[in-house]
Amino acid sequence: KNEVEQSPQNLTAQEGEFITINCSYSVGISALHWLQQHPGGGIVSLFMLSSGKKKHGRLIATINIQEKHSSLHITASHPRDSAVYICAVQGGSEKLVFGKGTKLTVNP
Amino acid sequence: DTGVSQNPRHKITKRGQNVTFRCDPISEHNRLYWYRQTLGQGPEFLTYFQNEAQLEKSRLLSDRFSAERPKGSFSTLEIQRTEQGDSAMYLCASSSTVRSLHFGNGTRLTVT
Repeated sequence: KNEVEQSPQNLTAQEGEFITINCSYSVGISALHWLQQHPGGGIVSLFMLSSGKKKHGRLIATINIQEKHSSLHITASHPRDSAVYICAVQGGSEKLVFGKGTKLTVNP
Repeated sequence: DTGVSQNPRHKITKRGQNVTFRCDPISEHNRLYWYRQTLGQGPEFLTYFQNEAQLEKSRLLSDRFSAERPKGSFSTLEIQRTEQGDSAMYLCASSSTVRSLHFGNGTRLTVT
């Protein structure tokens, strides 16, 4: 069974700060997803990674397959980035295993 | 593309009652997933359909839970004889490949 650990659990930042959220998993995977969840429940898929690095706007996601570790970076953070960020991994099936999430609060 | 639609958004029910939730996926998506999320936790996989076939079920899905996807379009998740521990957010997602997941806004169930 794959265990997915995220750190930190909670993160408070000032507007403009560079933010890093980490995700570690225990078993080899075929893909890793970063998701954003706003209050009220809606989840948006940010990235799907199987290797290397992806960038979309101010968001950057990296993955190190050998170290079983991924990071999500937010540059020039803004209060609208406040949300829960969830890492999820996919092994040999369609099932995703999710981390507990990192609650990010960006203060103006 | 109207996104993944879930109904109802909220459901309050008394213990022992049956409830049914509906998910309408994005129309061209053949894959449909149900997840459950409790407060402070990440979502947990419940079940997965490809078209009308239910291909994978979690051990979390006890015999009180049943999911269907007739004709490979919308899906329903029914919980019989609800228990307080069933209180959670029930999330539906759909995709054409596992790399393009789209989530609905969820149905929040409260069992009193």
